[in-house]
Amino acid sequence: GENVEQHPSTLSVQEGDSAVIKCTYSDSASNYFPWYKQELGKRPQLIIDIRSNVGEKKDQRIAVTLNKTAKHFSLHITETQPEDSAVYFCAAISPLGNQFYFGTGTSLTVIP
Amino acid sequence: GAGVSQTPSNKVTEKGKYVELRCDPISGHTALYWYRQSLGQGPEFLIYFQGTGAADDSGLPNDRFFAVRPEGSVSTLKIQRTERGDSAVYLCASSYLRTGELFFGEGSRLTVL
Repeated sequence: GENVEQHPSTLSVQEGDSAVIKCTYSDSASNYFPWYKQELGKRPQLIIDIRSNVGEKKDQRIAVTLNKTAKHFSLHITETQPEDSAVYFCAAISPLGNQFYFGTGTSLTVIP
Repeated sequence: GAGVSQTPSNKVTEKGKYVELRCDPISGHTALYWYRQSLGQGPEFLIYFQGTGAADDSGLPNDRFFAVRPEGSVSTLKIQRTERGDSAVYLCASSYLRTGELFFGEGSRLTVL
């Protein structure tokens, strides 16, 4: 099955700086890569996703890049704000599989 | 409702007891997933339903865990003879497409004493 690894596990940045979270996956057939944000005690919520036919996708301050050859994808948050503080999870799913495989999460703290 | 609803939000039980956790997905979503999340970890897959049938139950840890979705909508996760190691947040998610956006519920926090 798929194996998704996520780094770093914790990340602290100053408000206004950028944050980058990286994930690798093992199944070359995986073709959908969502990112979820989970605030303390809340449900995970999709913030951005990318499919394997696209190399980069941007939505305001958030962007995701995908390198299919290297089998890794990254989340980029620019101009970070305190409300960006949360745990972020990457995930991957293969068209041949039935489950989303999640990374272990990155706890992001934005220091005002 | 507008989102995925899970009940109860919190459940405290004693070791050895039976527990049922309920999930009401978004109307029209045929795909339904159960995940388990322990503190500091990512969601761990338990079972996936497509319609009424369990298309993939490979994540259920043992035969004490069972889930049903008899009418293709509401699903119930059943845990028999609970153990302290079962303590976690059980998340339900639904999706219109198998490889589409997952919409999560708020989760059911299970504590086994």
